[in-house]
Amino acid sequence: GIQVEQSPPDLILQEGANSTLRCNFSDSVNNLQWFHQNPWGQLINLFYIPSGTKQNGRLSATTVATERYSLLYISSSQTTDSGVYFCAGNSGYALNFGKGTSLLVTP
Amino acid sequence: GAGVSQTPSNKVTEKGKYVELRCDPISGHTALYWYRQSLGQGPEFLIYFQGTGAADDSGLPNDRFFAVRPEGSVSTLKIQRTERGDSAVYLCASSFRDHTDTQYFGPGTRLTVL
Repeated sequence: GIQVEQSPPDLILQEGANSTLRCNFSDSVNNLQWFHQNPWGQLINLFYIPSGTKQNGRLSATTVATERYSLLYISSSQTTDSGVYFCAGNSGYALNFGKGTSLLVTP
Repeated sequence: GAGVSQTPSNKVTEKGKYVELRCDPISGHTALYWYRQSLGQGPEFLIYFQGTGAADDSGLPNDRFFAVRPEGSVSTLKIQRTERGDSAVYLCASSFRDHTDTQYFGPGTRLTVL
């Protein structure tokens, strides 16, 4: 399957700061998703974004399919943004996940 | 409608026992997936159903693991002769048509094998 690399692995922000999370893929994908895993373990869909740019409130994502990477932007971070952010892309039928970026937003 | 649901939320069993984990996908979703997540890792694919049939079971770790989806809706993941290494969170996901669609995940079943 494809390899998915996420960076940075850990991130600490002060409330109100902005951040960019990156995801690199070893091969092309036709399904690419970003998730937020909350402290209770629930994977929450953020974006389905195999290409292009999308925005949802304070979050936005951009995927450059030809260069096999995707970026997640978090603006004006809040403490509720804390948790682990995963990107995943398909290899055949399966979604292959990165190891995640663990984000802590402090008051 | 409702999201993906999984039961039980927690399961504690003893080494060597048999367990069944259930997944109710979003109504109308044809595709269903099982993943397994160990501590500190991202979810890992186990099996993919398209309707009633398993289109890809390449992620099942060995023949102790088996999954069914007899009516194309609810799915059951079955683990025989459980081992301590099977302890993990088992996640189910569904998507509307197939693997190119958005996958929606359930809350997971935390399996602990003592």
